[in-house]
Amino acid sequence: GDSVTQMEGPVTLSEEAFLTINCTYTATGYPSLFWYVQYPGEGLQLLLKATKADDKGSNKGFEATYRKETTSFHLEKGSVQVSDSAVYFCALGGGGNKLTFGTGTQLKVEL
Amino acid sequence: DTAVSQTPKYLVTQMGNDKSIKCEQNLGHDTMYWYKQDSKKFLKIMFSYNNKELIINETVPNRFSPKSPDKAHLNLHINSLELGDSAVYFCASSLAINFRREKNEQFFGPGTRLTVL
Repeated sequence: GDSVTQMEGPVTLSEEAFLTINCTYTATGYPSLFWYVQYPGEGLQLLLKATKADDKGSNKGFEATYRKETTSFHLEKGSVQVSDSAVYFCALGGGGNKLTFGTGTQLKVEL
Repeated sequence: DTAVSQTPKYLVTQMGNDKSIKCEQNLGHDTMYWYKQDSKKFLKIMFSYNNKELIINETVPNRFSPKSPDKAHLNLHINSLELGDSAVYFCASSLAINFRREKNEQFFGPGTRLTVL
């Protein structure tokens, strides 16, 4: 079945540091890939997405590229801010538009 | 102007009780979902409905019964609550189950934190 593996957290960075959160997936067919963000006490918000191989999703300085050859969708940001502190979920959109989530990675950004 | 709303936001109840969580979306979407997020933040789909028809039922105990009175609502009723049901439950919606993938992302509600004592 479909599965998503993302790096364990928490990840603690200083403000303006470079961020990478790794995500790899296993799926049948050609899924869409997503990153969702959950700020403390809130629901999930779609951060970015990619619907086919080599697509790059980007939003608010975050980027991720759909790599079919390595089955990966790593999240990157060049310079993180304290306001980026949240839990980040990698997800795969499979049959029936069902989302399969990774375990989430908590990011803490400190001054 | 809330897109996907859930009530209540918090629900504290005793084991063995029956409770319901309501979800409404005003986005005009055809498909709605329920997800469960456990204490370790792991999210898993429970159900999806497309135009009031059950599409996905992910081996959820039959104490959980979703009900969709119309396309804009998907309620979750839970019978005989157990300690292990304590979690945050998220409702979500999307345009349609087989709409083109470029536009078919899911929009999530704020969540309902259920605590079973």
